[in-house]
Amino acid sequence: QQPVQSPQAVILREGEDAVINCSSSKALYSVHWYRQKHGEAPIFLMILLKGGEQKGHDKISASFNEKKQQSSLYLTASQLSYSGTYFCGAFSGGYQKVTFGTGTKLQVIP
Amino acid sequence: DTAVSQTPKYLVTQMGNDKSIKCEQNLGHDTMYWYKQDSKKFLKIMFSYNNKELIINETVPNRFSPKSPDKAHLNLHINSLELGDSAVYFCASSQGTLSGNTIYFGEGSWLTVV
Repeated sequence: QQPVQSPQAVILREGEDAVINCSSSKALYSVHWYRQKHGEAPIFLMILLKGGEQKGHDKISASFNEKKQQSSLYLTASQLSYSGTYFCGAFSGGYQKVTFGTGTKLQVIP
Repeated sequence: DTAVSQTPKYLVTQMGNDKSIKCEQNLGHDTMYWYKQDSKKFLKIMFSYNNKELIINETVPNRFSPKSPDKAHLNLHINSLELGDSAVYFCASSQGTLSGNTIYFGEGSWLTVV
């Protein structure tokens, strides 16, 4: 069963912040985050491993709570280039089988 | 140089036809995948190969047959195409099978069955 993301869609004005949540029904070893622009391939953003770590890249950061089987992606001071569909990918063990979430479509407008 | 390349990018074909999509990666990775993205944008894994060996085979109709002639190539052949096969098919690769390995996607192959 694929992880559930919320919200399904969000519209932001430039400079606003957003949080995208990812919730899994299975125990997680790691969480991947990807962004896909329309008509393009998903692009890797970051991986969070077990241990409750938080990672950041520029103004995009994420947290991972393995006890709650959840991860959140934080986008601060959003830019037009942040527009796209964000996917979390849940790794639950075994061979590299990353199950992608339901996706969150984010649109940043001027 | 494109890291993960797949051909063709667009494919329009009639129901009942057989078609293939080719994929090559030049990253030196030993694990390759096929993902299917449907009209609702859900990304679902279909197959995974590690060093030419099939390690993941999700519930996919037998009409879909992957082939990995070497660890840099993973092709997908589809027999007797159906309308429901219309989707974007992404090839991807990663180094190894551990949880912390980044997955690199190809640009996708848009398959339309009419």
